[in-house]
Amino acid sequence: DTAVSQTPKYLVTQMGNDKSIKCEQNLGHDTMYWYKQDSKKFLKIMFSYNNKELIINETVPNRFSPKSPDKAHLNLHINSLELGDSAVYFCASSRRATGELFFGEGSRLTVL
Amino acid sequence: TQLLEQSPQFLSIQEGENLTVYCNSSSVFSSLQWYRQEPGEGPVLLVTVVTGGEVKKLKRLTFQFGDARKDSSLHITAAQPGDTGLYLCAGSPFGNEKLTFGTGTRLTIIP
Repeated sequence: DTAVSQTPKYLVTQMGNDKSIKCEQNLGHDTMYWYKQDSKKFLKIMFSYNNKELIINETVPNRFSPKSPDKAHLNLHINSLELGDSAVYFCASSRRATGELFFGEGSRLTVL
Repeated sequence: TQLLEQSPQFLSIQEGENLTVYCNSSSVFSSLQWYRQEPGEGPVLLVTVVTGGEVKKLKRLTFQFGDARKDSSLHITAAQPGDTGLYLCAGSPFGNEKLTFGTGTRLTIIP
C-alpha cells in the first residue's frame, strides 16, 4: 500500500484551463502539505494543513486553492493555469509540523 | 537568498571515491533533516540530527550537525552508483514551525 498517493502523475494542459491534483495518505498523520519543485529542483512549501485546518499559506497566487475534506486527504485546485505553473507538485504528510515528511511520487504539470 | 544553502550544487565523481556535501545557514535550527530524492520520486528521509555537534552514521553515510546548529554536512565513503540522486537538507529555525528545504546537491556517481 502506498503511504502517500497523488493523482494524476502527469498532467498536460493548455493555458487558462482549470485542473486538480488529489492526494491521500494512509499513515494516520495529522499534517499534510503541498510543495512545488521547479526546474532547478528547488522544493518550496505552498500550503500546510493540520487536521483539516490551514496553518501555512505561503505567497501563492489565489488561483491555487487547497481543500482538505478530511485529515487523510488534501487536494489542490488550480484555476486559470499559466506557463509558470509548470512544475512537479508534491504532496506530503507528517505526524507533527516539523517531523519527518513522507512524500508522494509527485504530479508533473505541464502547461502549454 | 535562500535560508539553507547547499554546496556544491552539482557533483559528479567516480565510484569508490569519497565526498562531502554541505548545508549552511545563518539561522539556528532546532534540528536538520537530510533527504535523498531519486528521479521520478519524492524525497525520502535519510536522517534527522538534533543535538549540536551530533554525528550520525548510516552505513557509508556520515551526517554531522554543527556545534552552533547552523550547518550540517553529509560525507559519503566509497560512493556507489546507487548513491546517485538529489540530496536535500531541511530544517525549521527556532520559533518557526515551517520546514524549509535547502537548494539541493545533485550527485552523480560514475561506475
